[in-house]
Amino acid sequence: GENVEQHPSTLSVQEGDSAVIKCTYSDSASNYFPWYKQELGKRPQLIIDIRSNVGEKKDQRIAVTLNKTAKHFSLHITETQPEDSAVYFCAATDRQGGKLIFGQGTELSVKP
Amino acid sequence: EAGVTQFPSHSVIEKGQTVTLRCDPISGHDNLYWYRRVMGKEIKFLLHFVKESKQDESGMPNNRFLAERTGGTYSTLKVQPAELEDSGVYFCASRRDWADTQYFGPGTRLTVL
Repeated sequence: GENVEQHPSTLSVQEGDSAVIKCTYSDSASNYFPWYKQELGKRPQLIIDIRSNVGEKKDQRIAVTLNKTAKHFSLHITETQPEDSAVYFCAATDRQGGKLIFGQGTELSVKP
Repeated sequence: EAGVTQFPSHSVIEKGQTVTLRCDPISGHDNLYWYRRVMGKEIKFLLHFVKESKQDESGMPNNRFLAERTGGTYSTLKVQPAELEDSGVYFCASRRDWADTQYFGPGTRLTVL
C-alpha cells in the first residue's frame, strides 16, 4: 500500500525566513496531494493541495511543488510569521478510495 | 455551512470499559472517514463510509472497534473493550462525492487508563 515519508520532523526558523517541508510517496497511482496545518488543540485544516497533472501551485505565501518522476512533493512557506507555527502534515491519496495516507508531520516553529 | 462536529471532545475511561464516539459530517457529504492519531505519530486511516455503506475498513485495528453510519448521516465509532493502546485523538472527516477536499472535525481525545 501507499507509504508517505515526511521530513523534517521539526523545523525552527526566524520570522521572515522561508520554510520547506518535503514528502515522498511510494504509490505511483497517487494523484492527489493535500497539505494540512494543525494548530495546537485544533482540527487539521487544508492549506493547499495539488493534483498529479500539475507541477506547481501557489497561494500567496504558500506553494507546493510536485515531481511525479521522483515521487516527491514539497511545501514552501515564504516570509514566515509566528502564526505559521503549527504541525504540518502532507498526505497522498488515489482517487478511487479517497482515503488519505499521511506523513509523520512537521512541527514548525517561527521565532519572532 | 457548518463544519464537521465530533462528540465528546475528550473522554477518559478505564481499560475494559466501552466508549462511543460520534461524528456529524457536513450536510450533503456522502463520504465520511475516521482517522486516529496516536501520540506524536502520523494520522492513520481507520474507515471510509459512502453513505451508510462501509467502502473501506482496512485500517480498523481489530474487532474491538465497530463503526456505524445508520441512515447515512452521522456516524459512531465504538471501542469495546478499550485497551491502553487505543488512547489517541480520533478524527472524523467528510467529503463531497465530486470533490477531493476532506474537511476534518476537531477530534475526540480518548485516554484509556
